[in-house]
Amino acid sequence: SYELTQPPSVSVSPGQTARITCSGDALPKQYAYWYQQKPGQAPVLVIFEDSERPSEIPERFSGSSSGTTVTLTISGVQAEDEADYYCQSADSSGIYVFGSGTKVTVL
Amino acid sequence: EVQLLESGGGLGQPGGSLRLSCAASGFPFSTYAMTWVRQAPGKGLEWVSTITNIGDSTYYTDSVKGRFTISRDNSKNTLSLQMSSLRAEDTAVYYCAKGNYGSGSPTGAMDVWGQGTTVTVSS
Repeated sequence: SYELTQPPSVSVSPGQTARITCSGDALPKQYAYWYQQKPGQAPVLVIFEDSERPSEIPERFSGSSSGTTVTLTISGVQAEDEADYYCQSADSSGIYVFGSGTKVTVL
Repeated sequence: EVQLLESGGGLGQPGGSLRLSCAASGFPFSTYAMTWVRQAPGKGLEWVSTITNIGDSTYYTDSVKGRFTISRDNSKNTLSLQMSSLRAEDTAVYYCAKGNYGSGSPTGAMDVWGQGTTVTVSS
């Protein structure tokens, strides 16, 4: 079955830049989406269609795509950005797939 | 305000049934596809099922095919998930989520999520 691969964890100091990667063979053909999930809360969409940001999401969140890898970048990380982040895309059949998630720790 | 409110979770017996509901408000419900996503304790997100805006197509992850049925009532702005032949591995928080698209296979974003309802399968 199709998989999206994310690093289990990323650690970053406040004010620094966090980059979270997501790799999958179908990513050149399918858009990627990113969700933030804080403990005990529902996921929140932070990036759609590889690099678009919902209006309510801070500008420090950005997305990019290159080949089979998409990247979520958090610039000037704040303590409130500590959360799990999931990428989501679709397989070749056009069916949803989630990555395994990346825990971002703000040191 | 756009809102999704799940209900119907609880304790289910192995082999038994539960029915989850999701009440939608604040947006034209019949315009958008709707999805159920689950999260087992301490685990990541798992897509479960999607239904198109008018209910003409449904999609399921392999592990629930033949056991779960997704449906919607656009006159009542309600999404449902009928769960049968429950297994221990169905234990999870179940979220309903609004798609940012209407028809076609599930490939778009899920831009609004409910707070989830907990399903526990145990004897």
